[in-house]
Amino acid sequence: NAGVTQTPKFQVLKTGQSMTLQCAQDMNHEYMSWYRQDPGMGLRLIHYSVGAGITDQGEVPNGYNVSRSTTEDFPLRLLSAAPSQTSVYFCASSRRVGEFQPQHFGDGTRLSIL
Amino acid sequence: RKEVEQDPGPFNVPEGATVAFNCTYSNSASQSFFWYRQDCRKEPKLLMSVYSSGNEDGRFTAQLNRASQYISLLIRDSKLSDSATYLCVGPNYGGSQGNLIFGKGTKLSVKP
Repeated sequence: NAGVTQTPKFQVLKTGQSMTLQCAQDMNHEYMSWYRQDPGMGLRLIHYSVGAGITDQGEVPNGYNVSRSTTEDFPLRLLSAAPSQTSVYFCASSRRVGEFQPQHFGDGTRLSIL
Repeated sequence: RKEVEQDPGPFNVPEGATVAFNCTYSNSASQSFFWYRQDCRKEPKLLMSVYSSGNEDGRFTAQLNRASQYISLLIRDSKLSDSATYLCVGPNYGGSQGNLIFGKGTKLSVKP
């Protein structure tokens, strides 16, 4: 099983560029989320979705947009990249909303903004 | 107070040692937790779930102490391959953090 698939695995951008990080899951999970992880900061929630057509902000949403047009896909868009967005980005999904379920992570996108 | 707090470590232990980590939580309504393992530059992976009855899986034992509001992870007979960061994860009952809250992790280094 593919699980949670993230693309690309690595990306270098220039300040001001935009790009979309892709995330897809094939487990029919309701809940999907995006985190960023910086040294010493732990995982910080950017945006999450409890189902197709429904998204909400997490702890650090500024500079990022998301959409959830299908159950499977949850892309994260950087509108105008800034060096402060240099980080490792993880997408995660879990089976159901409203129940305490473990989240399954993709293997991450390492993003550098110059 | 952060909802899930961990000692960042590092815990440096020799191979074969027994090591224990604690994680404190602030929401007394929390009844279930997870322990995740994260290797350097990799994604977090579920290690085990922790419910009121505790959980044991081979060399790993997790306990929940509701009176003192902490959970523990005990690793017996440590292996070099146990070197990783261990994340404590609890439920989020509100706020903007989605449905799980992740601790910042405890780093374990097992030496030969």
